[in-house]
Amino acid sequence: GAVVSQHPSRVICKSGTSVKIECRSLDFQATTMFWYRQFPKQSLMLMATSNEGSKATYEQGVEKDKFLINHASLTLSTLTVTSAHPEDSSFYICSASLLRGGIDTQYFGPGTRLTVL
Amino acid sequence: AQSVAQPEDQVNVAEGNPLTVKCTYSVSGNPYLFWYVQYPNRGLQFLLKYITGDNLVKGSYGFEAEFNKSQTSFHLKKPSALVSDSALYFCAVRDRAGGSYIPTFGRGTSLIVHP
Repeated sequence: GAVVSQHPSRVICKSGTSVKIECRSLDFQATTMFWYRQFPKQSLMLMATSNEGSKATYEQGVEKDKFLINHASLTLSTLTVTSAHPEDSSFYICSASLLRGGIDTQYFGPGTRLTVL
Repeated sequence: AQSVAQPEDQVNVAEGNPLTVKCTYSVSGNPYLFWYVQYPNRGLQFLLKYITGDNLVKGSYGFEAEFNKSQTSFHLKKPSALVSDSALYFCAVRDRAGGSYIPTFGRGTSLIVHP
């Protein structure tokens, strides 16, 4: 149990276009989902926290107009990178929070590799 | 405030030998502690967590971790390493007393198991 999927797993796009990444909790409902960005050989950088039915909470330095997050249901959150530029190329990982064993535990998706040409 | 440190960028161990990946933490109160593993181009997989109770926590794939409050450590261990254990390992901490329910992740330790 506690499976999280992401789609697509890999995307290549031209500079200036927008890209949408989906994150789904397959076998549980997640009131909270998280979006991370990971640079090569570095740790996870939390971008935003997404709660179902409300606006996402963005971390300092993350442009909310550039990284649009929608959490429309308890099993789906989407991240849209608008007007993508080469510096947005990265590995994007989502996670969903599940209360298990007395504590919220994050379960991660497999990640999406974004390459902006 | 909560923070976590993984002092080693890389750990090398021979297959069949025991392995240890180090993690130390800092919190205001008592911690929740987690270990995750990441294989190349994949997301993180949950290994184990410490909430309360026994200091030795057993997790997936034969891994275990020992909570040591006096040393503020939560080192990941495995008695006999496999080549397939080679991956990036992340420790995370969340302060029970803090206002944030979001854990802080360490920078990761690359484990390389040699045949």
